[in-house]
Amino acid sequence: QSALTQPASVSGSPGQSITISCTGTSSDVGAYNYVSWYQQHPGKAPKLIIHEVIIRPSGVSSRFSGSKSGNTASLTISGLQAEDEADYYCSSYTTSRTLVFGSGTKVTV
Amino acid sequence: QITLKESGPTLVKPTQTLKLTCAFSGFSLSTSGVGVGWIRQPPGKALEWLALIYWDDDKHSNPSLQTRLTITKDTSKNQVVLTMTNMDPVDTATYYCAHRLLRAGGDPFDYWGQGTLVTVSS
Repeated sequence: QSALTQPASVSGSPGQSITISCTGTSSDVGAYNYVSWYQQHPGKAPKLIIHEVIIRPSGVSSRFSGSKSGNTASLTISGLQAEDEADYYCSSYTTSRTLVFGSGTKVTV
Repeated sequence: QITLKESGPTLVKPTQTLKLTCAFSGFSLSTSGVGVGWIRQPPGKALEWLALIYWDDDKHSNPSLQTRLTITKDTSKNQVVLTMTNMDPVDTATYYCAHRLLRAGGDPFDYWGQGTLVTVSS
């Protein structure tokens, strides 16, 4: 299985909104509403920030939101803050009952 | 409180077999819906899903590595073990174990271990 495609980097100024795309196929992203997003700061373990495309776990800021259209999912960070500077990874469940991660996006504030 | 911790060798030689243990607390792998997965991350690179085992012993692994991977659980010890054969320098990575979010579709991971760096070198 091939990694989902994400832009290598996205940048924005404090207070702005940015969107990270995650493109897969009809066998993963397009198959189910089972896309997750993770935030990873340097030297730390990933943190789940979105699951099932749009659901934020308890404690995750409402500035993070997810969406999906066809084979592409997106993560939007609104009101960008310095603490949002991190790597972001999407993940999707597949029709083979496996998981696949995205290539990762470095967000610079 | 859910915690997970990975342990195993920090250095393995090419062609050797890697055995990693994930010791966890705060949940039981005998409870319906529970799952534990393994994910790795080469230095400076992206996350890669390796395998996942469920409470009912159902298990799935990355098709690209399937022939090299074995995942097992010891419910009585609250441990999950990942074995990877024929290690190569490209397998150098931080290996994480993680808890599957209950009652969620698509196996998202809500709790992660701190990770353990495994270097493959002669």
